[in-house]
Amino acid sequence: AQTVTQSQPEMSVQEAETVTLSCTYDTSESNYYLFWYKQPPSRQMILVIRQEAYKQQNATENRFSVNFQKAAKSFSLKISDSQLGDTAMYFCAFMKRIQGAQKLVFGQGTRLTINP
Amino acid sequence: NAGVMQNPRHLVRRRGQEARLRCSPMKGHSHVYWYRQLPEEGLKFMVYLQKENIIDESGMPKERFSAEFPKEGPSILRIQQVVRGDSAAYFCASSLLPGNTEAFFGQGTRLTVV
Repeated sequence: AQTVTQSQPEMSVQEAETVTLSCTYDTSESNYYLFWYKQPPSRQMILVIRQEAYKQQNATENRFSVNFQKAAKSFSLKISDSQLGDTAMYFCAFMKRIQGAQKLVFGQGTRLTINP
Repeated sequence: NAGVMQNPRHLVRRRGQEARLRCSPMKGHSHVYWYRQLPEEGLKFMVYLQKENIIDESGMPKERFSAEFPKEGPSILRIQQVVRGDSAAYFCASSLLPGNTEAFFGQGTRLTVV
């Protein structure tokens, strides 16, 4: 079974700083996807960024980028120039790349607070 | 194009009552997934349904919980004889295709059992 671990329950940084959230996972699969989701106080789950394991290039979406280390099974999220609106819970998630039914396996989350 | 709609947003039930949670997927989506989020935890997969079929229910508790996705109408997650431990946020997600890597989530239903 796959597991996802986020070792930082809470983090806090000043606005405009850069922050990195950690995520490690355990799987015997070679083909899979990794995700970061944001959950603001509204509870809406918002996809931040997605990485395909067979792609060596790290995914980037504006201020959000990942550091994907496949051998180490590590998938960290870097938020540059942090903004107050980035305050939220952040969840790392794993999905096997197979046909048919798919399910996300989530980590426990990191509560990120951006201070003015 | 409306997103995934879940209702109610908040539901309070007494122990022993039934809870019915509804999920209307995005237009054109025929694949629905239910997840449960206990307080201070990540989401846990419960069940994956296509229209009129349960495809994967490996995350569903064996008793009291059931799910359906009829040909017409929303998907329903039903919890019979609720207990305090069922208090959680229940999320629904939908996707256009099976194995689609982008599943769109609803805002969840927060169930409180008193």
